[in-house]
Amino acid sequence: DIVLTQSPGTLSLSPGERATLSCRASQSFSSSVLAWYQQKPGQAPRLLIYGASHRATGIPDRFSGSGSGTDYTLTISRLEPEDFAVYYCQQYGSTPWRFGQGTKVEIK
Amino acid sequence: EVQLLESGGGLVQPGGSLRLSCVVPGVIFSGYAMSWVRQAPGKGLEWVSGISGSGAITDYAASVKGRFTISRDNSKNTLYLQMNSLRVDDTAVYYCAGRFGDFLGSFDFWGEGTLVTVSS
Repeated sequence: DIVLTQSPGTLSLSPGERATLSCRASQSFSSSVLAWYQQKPGQAPRLLIYGASHRATGIPDRFSGSGSGTDYTLTISRLEPEDFAVYYCQQYGSTPWRFGQGTKVEIK
Repeated sequence: EVQLLESGGGLVQPGGSLRLSCVVPGVIFSGYAMSWVRQAPGKGLEWVSGISGSGAITDYAASVKGRFTISRDNSKNTLYLQMNSLRVDDTAVYYCAGRFGDFLGSFDFWGEGTLVTVSS
């Protein structure tokens, strides 16, 4: 099974700042099967990025994804108030499909 | 926008059973691969089970294999999760999630979730 480890656990930033979230895998896999989701309190997750770098429909261009092999990154170029949430990475190349444990982006 | 409407959650005793449903109206449902994903209170996301559009492919997380069964009725645009031998650690919000296309892929659409509480 591929285990995903996200860091940091919590990121404290101010609106307008840049956020860099990391997702590291226990073994290498194709970047085409890495996704990022955003979840706000009391809401369902929302797909942000698929294939490591492709924004889902309706996702603003301040969100970008990159990476390959075992190391993947989600970058939010300038944090808006609505971006403070928990972010999960996920691999969907082979079952069991696993999520990372999440990174909480909170207002500093 | 694709809507996913879950139902069937509730309070059940350990060892009991529950069946969750997820209706996806207004689409050709057989074109969508579907999954159940759960989230225990205050915890992260855990994939539970998935099924291909035709129903020919199913798979389960080790934590539920042999106890849960995923199925679908494409004539009713409905996904199901039959949960037997429920344990306290199955307590979670259960989301249905799906995508148009192949079994392997990201979860493009999500329902709002239904809460399952396993407690005596």
